[in-house]
Amino acid sequence: NAGVTQTPKFQVLKTGQSMTLQCAQDMNHEYMSWYRQDPGMGLRLIHYSVGAGITDQGEVPNGYNVSRSTTEDFPLRLLSAAPSQTSVYFCASSYSGGVQPQHFGDGTRLSIL
Amino acid sequence: ELKVEQNPLFLSMQEGKNYTIYCNYSTTSDRLYWYRQDPGKSLESLFVLLSNGAVKQEGRLMASLDTKARLSTLHITAAVHDLSATYFCAVDLSNFGNEKLTFGTGTRLTIIP
Repeated sequence: NAGVTQTPKFQVLKTGQSMTLQCAQDMNHEYMSWYRQDPGMGLRLIHYSVGAGITDQGEVPNGYNVSRSTTEDFPLRLLSAAPSQTSVYFCASSYSGGVQPQHFGDGTRLSIL
Repeated sequence: ELKVEQNPLFLSMQEGKNYTIYCNYSTTSDRLYWYRQDPGKSLESLFVLLSNGAVKQEGRLMASLDTKARLSTLHITAAVHDLSATYFCAVDLSNFGNEKLTFGTGTRLTIIP
């Protein structure tokens, strides 16, 4: 049981490049979310999904796209990377209802030059 | 807009001492979560608090929730070095539970031998 798996763990991009951060979970969780964590700040919600085919924006969605074609996968796409998107990105998943906590992946450290 | 404030932001305490971390939030919610994060690591769930007056304890940590005061506390008893970490509270405002968490900025706890 791998839990929440994020790839890659580290990535360096140049301004203007695009890339996809991968997130997969094997717990059959309905909910999946993407957060970014910047130094000295808590996590901020980028996008979330309550099930396959359903996504919605969080607090800081600009510059990011998501899709959820399967229950297991929730990729995050950076359309045109900017230095302000340098951050640590965490993917999380959970069952619905809020009785159990979200489970987090190990994170992707992304640097935009 | 929901605001979640933690204090203190930084806490340095000696082993064996007791202390409390506070989490205040600005909008009514009855679902609050506490997480721990070690440097460079992912987030680990500590407690799920789902109603007014909820109290959970695990080892030297005890968390409580007062929804009327919009306040949660994380109490540390007889601190030991292994508890050094950053602690986050997160409040859930979603309709169905657990898909939209707003995190506090975190409390960086350092236990001094």
